[in-house]
Amino acid sequence: NAGVTQTPKFRILKIGQSMTLQCTQDMNHNYMYWYRQDPGMGLKLIYYSVGAGITDKGEVPNGYNVSRSTTEDFPLRLELAAPSQTSVYFCASSSQGAGELFFGEGSRLTVL
Amino acid sequence: GENVEQHPSTLSVQEGDSAVIKCTYSDSASNYFPWYKQELGKGPQLIIDIRSNVGEKKDQRIAVTLNKTAKHFSLHITETQPEDSAVYFCLSTDSWGKLQFGAGTQVVVTP
Repeated sequence: NAGVTQTPKFRILKIGQSMTLQCTQDMNHNYMYWYRQDPGMGLKLIYYSVGAGITDKGEVPNGYNVSRSTTEDFPLRLELAAPSQTSVYFCASSSQGAGELFFGEGSRLTVL
Repeated sequence: GENVEQHPSTLSVQEGDSAVIKCTYSDSASNYFPWYKQELGKGPQLIIDIRSNVGEKKDQRIAVTLNKTAKHFSLHITETQPEDSAVYFCLSTDSWGKLQFGAGTQVVVTP
C-alpha cells in the first residue's frame, strides 16, 4: 500500500522558474493538504481540499496554486519561484477533517 | 481562527525519565487533539490522539491528557528511550475544520 506519494523528492529552481509538485494518494481520502516546513520550524498550511473540485487557502497561499480534478491527485504549482519558497513541502491526506493525517515523505525545494 | 501554543520548544531529558509537552488552544469548539512525531528527514506520523469526550488516553509509554475547561492538552512520555528523540507536534481543529499545528518541541533523550 503506497499511501501518499510525492514527487520529486529534491529539486533546485532558479528564481522566476515555475514547477509543479505532485502528490497522489491511494487511500480514497477526500481531504488533502499541502504544508511547507522551513528549517527548525513547524508546518504551515498552504492549501487544502475537502474533495475533488474543491480547494481553499491555508495560512500561506501566496505564490502557490493548486487543483483537485480527481480524488487521488493534488498537485501544487509554484509560479515565479522566489528564494523565500525554499523549504520542505509535505502533502498529507485524511479520510475526515478531524482524523489521522497521512504524510508523504516530503519534497525538498531550493530556489537560487 | 484557531490558535495553538506549544511548550516547551526544546526538551532535554535523561534516558528513563519522563517528558511532558503541553499545548493550549483557543477554539472551544475544537474536539480532536492528536500528537505527531517527526523524525529527521521524514514526514510527521500520528502517535496518539484524543477526542473531547475523554480526559485521558494511554498507549504503552505514551499518554495524552485533555483539560477542556482550561483548553489544554498534554503529551506524556514515560521511561524515555533514545528512539524517542524527535520533534513532536500537537494539532488542533477549529470549528471550521481547519487544522492548526503547534510550533513543535524538539525532544532530545540523552543516555
